Amino acid sequence: DAKTTQPPSMDCAEGRAANLPCNHSTISGNEYVYWYRQIHSQGPQYIIHGLKNNETNEMASLIITEDRKSSTLILPHATLRDTAVYYCIVRLLGSSNTGKLIFGQGTTLQVKP
Amino acid sequence: KAGVTQTPRYLIKTRGQQVTLSCSPISGHRSVSWYQQTPGQGLQFLFEYFSETQRNKGNFPGRFSGRQFSNSRSEMNVSTLELGDSALYLCASRSGTGGYEQYFGPGTRLTVT
Repeated sequence: DAKTTQPPSMDCAEGRAANLPCNHSTISGNEYVYWYRQIHSQGPQYIIHGLKNNETNEMASLIITEDRKSSTLILPHATLRDTAVYYCIVRLLGSSNTGKLIFGQGTTLQVKP
Repeated sequence: KAGVTQTPRYLIKTRGQQVTLSCSPISGHRSVSWYQQTPGQGLQFLFEYFSETQRNKGNFPGRFSGRQFSNSRSEMNVSTLELGDSALYLCASRSGTGGYEQYFGPGTRLTVT
């Protein structure tokens, strides 16, 4: 799986959009980008995933650059409950390693009132 | 649909003892993965089971083992506990049939004294 690089921490004002970047310059053509978050002392929570097109669900939007070497997770209106560690993970689906997630250090997002 | 459940939630053991942790996946999910989370090493993959067979194994000593039952429930066992085994142990399930998102339980907090 390709390596990802994320900033260790970010702040965001409540009600504003939180834009969390992830660099995955060695991603291969059939690897997906996944985002999870972990609120303090809870299990990680799946947020969204994508291959090459931008994706949106009820939680967030995922913007993947055309060359797929980086992506941005967008929380459109951050609330205090979005304070968490956000993990960007690159996965090769359909392989025997599909169930194995490799977590990096992630980005600690602090949403401030 | 009920989420992933793990029992017990908290456990205190003494060095040298063994421990068994239990995980019940989301109904219909056939894959269960286990992770260890410590402040120093972060989230690390232990192993994955699918239809009662171990599919993947992380880089952990043989003291860590697991199994999966025909109803997809899974247990992991740690023998001859060491102080360094103190961690949050997380279980995650996925459908295993095209659904690649993993859903995590709340974890079992193991303290070894």
